[in-house]
Amino acid sequence: QVQLVQSGAEMKKPGASVKVSCKASGYTFVGDGISWVRQAPGQGLEWLGWISPYNGITNYVQKFQGRVTMTTDTSTNTAYMELRGLRSDDTAVYYCARGVRPIDFWGQGTLVTVSS
Amino acid sequence: EMVLTQSPATLSVSPGETVTLSCRASQSVSTNLAWYQHKPGQAPRLLIYGESTRATGIPARFSGSGSGTEFTLTISSLQSEDCAIYYCHQYNNWPSLTFGPGTKVELK
Repeated sequence: QVQLVQSGAEMKKPGASVKVSCKASGYTFVGDGISWVRQAPGQGLEWLGWISPYNGITNYVQKFQGRVTMTTDTSTNTAYMELRGLRSDDTAVYYCARGVRPIDFWGQGTLVTVSS
Repeated sequence: EMVLTQSPATLSVSPGETVTLSCRASQSVSTNLAWYQHKPGQAPRLLIYGESTRATGIPARFSGSGSGTEFTLTISSLQSEDCAIYYCHQYNNWPSLTFGPGTKVELK
């Protein structure tokens, strides 16, 4: 069955970077894109962007341009999302998810806490 | 910017009732809209996509309808396990995909 297993919770200081991993199994990794979505405490879902593991093409929400980098490693079927220049309002649960139109399967989420 | 509005914000219902959740888009999204169920501490789950297609394994009591700017998710004969937050999501306006603010369904 499809599984997306994400890395564990992270605690970072303002200005630092975080890199979240997402290991996929149960399907052909290069056959579907990987989206990244976050949910801040008490807030709704926010789409950050998408990467194609097939050719590495990315699309980022303008709000995160310059701060986010999404990559994949097809040798290990793992996707990565790095967010730089962390601020307190980046505190959120970050999800990787398969697909984009629509997103059809989600990882369990990674809590990233930004605090001094 | 594409904005999705969901109503009501919260719905208090009794088991066995039929509930109707609404999602309105600020501009047409054609049929490129999905519905997700999200329970605390769990990953969101795809329920409906392409306006009315149920995802794999989703019970028939969940149904979707609508196109353009007005969409509805209906849960027939609500069960206690259906208590969750329901989000609509448009994937028409690439690459600015957006989610609605959610409707919380809770038991009376």
